[in-house]
Amino acid sequence: EAGVAQSPRYKIIEKRQSVAFWCNPISGHATLYWYQQILGQGPKLLIQFQNNGVVDDSQLPKDRFSAERLKGVDSTLKIQPAKLEDSAVYLCASSLLTYRVRSYEQYFGPGTRLTVT
Amino acid sequence: GEDVEQSLFLSVREGDSSVINCTYTDSSSTYLYWYKQEPGAGLQLLTYIFSNMDMKQDQRLTVLLNKKDKHLSLRIADTQTGDSAIYFCAERIYNQGGKLIFGQGTELSVKP
Repeated sequence: EAGVAQSPRYKIIEKRQSVAFWCNPISGHATLYWYQQILGQGPKLLIQFQNNGVVDDSQLPKDRFSAERLKGVDSTLKIQPAKLEDSAVYLCASSLLTYRVRSYEQYFGPGTRLTVT
Repeated sequence: GEDVEQSLFLSVREGDSSVINCTYTDSSSTYLYWYKQEPGAGLQLLTYIFSNMDMKQDQRLTVLLNKKDKHLSLRIADTQTGDSAIYFCAERIYNQGGKLIFGQGTELSVKP
């Protein structure tokens, strides 16, 4: 079974530029998550989708971050404009439909390391 | 509030047992998880425990849960150099969908 795919793996941009990350979840996984992991910290949830609807985006800085999941499969996370404090690893995870799997096992991709200079 | 705390570092000798500890604050946690992160990689799910269980064993891994003290531990038996990584404890809160709250991670160093 293929895992969660993410691209690019690394990205370096200057502040005020924009950037986009792509995620392809495990086939059949209806729930998709984007996490931000700042160096030395644990991941923090930014947004959760179930199919193509948003379940939780309470910690997404909506003035500069946006995310979409068209057709309920792939997802894109965008930052515009980027700030220095956005330097982090952006992790995508997926799981089966949450009401069918009580344990909510989430499977993570390798992440995209963003450096904002 | 929701908070998960872990000690930052642990160093053991190859062949010894490792015990990584975690405390959490939210009493409505339903599932608690242990993830492993190797350098440059994403998080790998190691094991999880439901909040009404005290213990779960999975090969070299033993998870102990003390719900009264809100304390979770992961014991790795016969620790190998390949176990060197950062280990994250995470909790899922009741009625918040699949959202996980992670600790800051414990870096395990295994010396030969």
